[in-house]
Amino acid sequence: DAGVTQSPTHLIKTRGQHVTLRCSPISGHKSVSWYQQVLGQGPQFIFQYYEKEERGRGNFPDRFSARQFPNYSSELNVNALLLGDSALYLCASSFRTDPNTEAFFGQGTRLTVV
Amino acid sequence: AQSVTQPDIHITVSEGASLELRCNYSYGATPYLFWYVQSPGQGLQLLLKYFSGDTLVQGIKGFEAEFKSSQSSFNLRKPSVHWSDAAEYFCAVGARGGGFKTIFGAGTRLFVKA
Repeated sequence: DAGVTQSPTHLIKTRGQHVTLRCSPISGHKSVSWYQQVLGQGPQFIFQYYEKEERGRGNFPDRFSARQFPNYSSELNVNALLLGDSALYLCASSFRTDPNTEAFFGQGTRLTVV
Repeated sequence: AQSVTQPDIHITVSEGASLELRCNYSYGATPYLFWYVQSPGQGLQLLLKYFSGDTLVQGIKGFEAEFKSSQSSFNLRKPSVHWSDAAEYFCAVGARGGGFKTIFGAGTRLFVKA
């Protein structure tokens, strides 16, 4: 069984550009969450989606947006990239949104903004 | 506000020695607590979790953690460390509020010396 898959694995963008990161959850999982992990820090919650609806949002600017598709895959979009957006972006999937459900993380997308 | 503090940025232990990683949390209700491990360039793997019941929880890879409500702590322990345990360890608390999100500590880097 495939785990959570994220693409691309690495990405280099220029300041001001736009980026789209993709995540495919484990089969049967309906919830996808996104996290940003800056070097040397713990992951920071960005979004949670369940059944294509946004269920939670962290303290990130409106430049960050996301969506979930009917097949439960998800995209994270970041506009007007800043140097500070350089980070590992992690996607986690779970069957439900409640805390009794284990979340499984992908390997992440390493975004470098130059 | 919910938060997680991991007081030790890094710890070095000898192979075969015991290990304890500290974690303190701040949460207004009964917390959902987790420990994750992250190897370099990898995603996060769940070691163990505490939701309720027995305050000593067993996890994978020989790890255990003890929930102490009076101290707001959830320390991770292992009786005998192996070289393969060298990694970054994150303590996290599950928080409700517009869905469910996981709040991570800054992490503790474990070094294992021969």
